Order: sequence, then structure tokens, then C-alpha cells
Amino acid sequence: EPEVTQTPSHQVTQMGQEVILRCVPISNHLYFYWYRQILGQKVEFLVSFYNNEISEKSEIFDDQFSVERPDGSNFTLKIRSTKLEDSAMYFCATSRREGNNEQFFGPGTRLTVL
Amino acid sequence: KNEVEQSPQNLTAQEGEFITINCSYSVGISALHWLQQHPGGGIVSLFMLSSGKKKHGRLIATINIQEKHSSLHITASHPRDSAVYICAVRTYNTDKLIFGTGTRSQVFP
Repeated sequence: EPEVTQTPSHQVTQMGQEVILRCVPISNHLYFYWYRQILGQKVEFLVSFYNNEISEKSEIFDDQFSVERPDGSNFTLKIRSTKLEDSAMYFCATSRREGNNEQFFGPGTRLTVL
Repeated sequence: KNEVEQSPQNLTAQEGEFITINCSYSVGISALHWLQQHPGGGIVSLFMLSSGKKKHGRLIATINIQEKHSSLHITASHPRDSAVYICAVRTYNTDKLIFGTGTRSQVFP
């Protein structure tokens, strides 16, 4: 069964460093999302992406964050200058189309900022 | 106030017991999702529903749009059902999901 994959599974970085989290969507999916979950808190929406453009973003998704699909397969989330409060689990999700469509989640990347 | 509220926050059950988890929401929605999060952190989609009832194996999900309420039932619970169950909604004109805080469920043998 096709699944969303994410790399790395765990990333440890120093405050102020740039990190790139990668996601490989299910092959015929066209809508992509990033969510994050700070330890002990609920999952929060960051950004949605379709047709090489951001469709929607939350207040969390400030200028330090960016997304792209550089090679038509990987979908990446970049954090330019990490802060301690960026430590969280980051989930990629993908769906075949918009509207009432199921989103399939990747296993997550645990980001630890020291 | 959270847009999506779940109850209980935690539950324990003996193997074989019937489990119910409730979700109430305060916004108009186009769909509601039930998700399962395992101790390792991964999230699995269980159901997506916009009306009525769905059943998959021992899991049943119902939704009452008028009352803005959904329930997830687990029949004949098993220790492998131990996980966090999360309710998430999609509002109109958006694809993003708004998540509840989750219900931590532990089933003991």
C-alpha cells in the first residue's frame, strides 16, 4: 500500500541553524500539507501547497518557514533560523485532491533544537 | 475556546470492553476525521465522514451534524487499541484540518 515517507525521522540542530525536512508524497497525490505537534500539545496546521504554490498558511508559518517541491517528487519544509520553540514533531500529509478528501500522514520528523 | 473538544482526555478499559470517545465542534464543517496516533508518534487516518455512520472492523464512527457532535466507538477493545485518538475537522473553503487535543486510551489485558 502506498504511503507518505519523511526524512529524517529525527533531527537535532543548534539554535539558529537551518533545517530542511523532506517528504515524499504518495505518487498520484497533488495536495500537500505540513502540520506540527509540540510535545504534549495538539497537532497544528502550518501550510498547504498545490500546483507549486502555497494555498493557505497559518500564523505559525512566518518568514522563517518556506516550502517547495524542488524536483517534482520531494516536498520540503525549510526553517531558516531555528528557535528553541521550533522543537516539535513535524508531519507531512498528502491528498489526491482538495475538498472532502482523506489526508494521508507521514510518520513524522522529530525536530529537536538545542 | 477550542474549536474542537474531545472527551474524555484519558480513558482506561479492560480488554473486551466497549469504548466511546466523543468529539464536539463549534464551527461549520465539511468533514470530520478520526485519527489514531501511536506511541511512536505516527498518525493513521481511521475515518473521514460528513454524515451518518461508518464502520471498519471493530471501529464505528458516527456524526450528528445538527448537534455538531461525533463519536468513535471501539467494540471488544484489545490492548493493541491503546493509542491517542484524535478528532479533526475541516471547515468550508479550506483544506486544513483543525485538531482536537486527543483522547489517550489504554486497554489492559
